[in-house]
Amino acid sequence: AQTVTQSQPEMSVQEAETVTLSCTYDTSESDYYLFWYKQPPSRQMILVIRQEAYKQQNATENRFSVNFQKAAKSFSLKISDSQLGDAAMYFCAYRRKFHTGNQFYFGTGTSLTVIP
Amino acid sequence: GAGVSQTPSNKVTEKGKYVELRCDPISGHTALYWYRQSLGQGPEFLIYFQGTGAADDSGLPNDRFFAVRPEGSVSTLKIQRTERGDSAVYLCASSLGLADTYEQYFGPGTRLTVT
Repeated sequence: AQTVTQSQPEMSVQEAETVTLSCTYDTSESDYYLFWYKQPPSRQMILVIRQEAYKQQNATENRFSVNFQKAAKSFSLKISDSQLGDAAMYFCAYRRKFHTGNQFYFGTGTSLTVIP
Repeated sequence: GAGVSQTPSNKVTEKGKYVELRCDPISGHTALYWYRQSLGQGPEFLIYFQGTGAADDSGLPNDRFFAVRPEGSVSTLKIQRTERGDSAVYLCASSLGLADTYEQYFGPGTRLTVT
């Protein structure tokens, strides 16, 4: 079974600074997808970034980038130049590849506070 | 265009009552997923549909939970004899299909509180 672990229930960062959120996962599969989702108080899950396991290059989306360490089964999210609007819950998620249905397996989340 | 919508936004019910939660997916999306997010947890898979049929309902916790999608668009999650442990946010997501390249788009959820 796939499990996703986020060991930081809460994190805080000063506005304009950089913060890294941690995620580890467990799987026996060799190819899969990993995601970071943002969930603001509105509850809407918003896709932040996505990584395919077979791709060696770390994904980046503007101020968001990941450090994907496949052997260590680690997938951390780095937020640069943090903004007040980045404050939210962040969920790391795993999704199987080549498998119909493709439901997500989510971690327990990290609550990010941005300090002005 | 319109995103995934869910109604009601919030629902308070008494223990033992029956509730229905509705999900309107993005037009043209054939795949629809339901997740349950308990307090302090990440969303957990309940069931997904491809078209009208429930392709995988392995996440439904027990037979008090049932979901339908009769015309392949709107879906309703039904919970009988509600219990306090059913209190959670119920999220719906839709995608163009089941291929793993398709992104899932989430709705804002329904917060169910069982008193």
